[in-house]
Amino acid sequence: NAGVMQNPRHLVRRRGQEARLRCSPMKGHSHVYWYRQLPEEGLKFMVYLQKENIIDESGMPKERFSAEFPKEGPSILRIQQVVRGDSAAYFCASSGPMSSYNEQFFGPGTRLTVL
Amino acid sequence: LAKTTQPISMDSYEGQEVNITCSHNNIATNDYITWYQQFPSQGPRFIIQGYKTKVTNEVASLFIPADRKSSTLSLPRVSLSDTAVYYCLVGAISSGSARQLTFGSGTQLTVLP
Repeated sequence: NAGVMQNPRHLVRRRGQEARLRCSPMKGHSHVYWYRQLPEEGLKFMVYLQKENIIDESGMPKERFSAEFPKEGPSILRIQQVVRGDSAAYFCASSGPMSSYNEQFFGPGTRLTVL
Repeated sequence: LAKTTQPISMDSYEGQEVNITCSHNNIATNDYITWYQQFPSQGPRFIIQGYKTKVTNEVASLFIPADRKSSTLSLPRVSLSDTAVYYCLVGAISSGSARQLTFGSGTQLTVLP
């Protein structure tokens, strides 16, 4: 039973390029969350999605960032026109429909470096 | 969401019991307390969750006093591999629906040989 999978694990982009981060939730999980972690800091919530729906995007920057969780395939976090401040670790988590509020399963993260 | 306060760092030696306390003075009636562990370059991992009194599983115990304004994560006989950041989270359970987690800065536990 594979856990949450994220790819790529490491991503290097130059300023102005686009970054696409992928997340495949655990089998049977329909809730996906994206978090961002800056060095020496805790994780910050970005967005919560269910299949084909954005439930809560209160943590997403208003510009350049978008997320989707299509009916088929992984969830995608897309960052357009990246800037150096976007360099961080991006974690995806998933939970099942009957999971408790706090029981989320995290992937290994994607480390984005913007040059 | 209730705000939590934890020590920034703690040191311990192998074989000792470690207790990490978290303050959450404005915890709400339907809030649960959950602890996560994070190793460097990895995502957080669920450790334990409780509502009141004491909860124990194979890796830790969680002590919650009657007023629920604080909680203590207890790790018995730590080893070097327990060196990690430990996060205390407080939030409500909502059956059939899940919500975002709010992480604070966590406690960096360093286990020394």
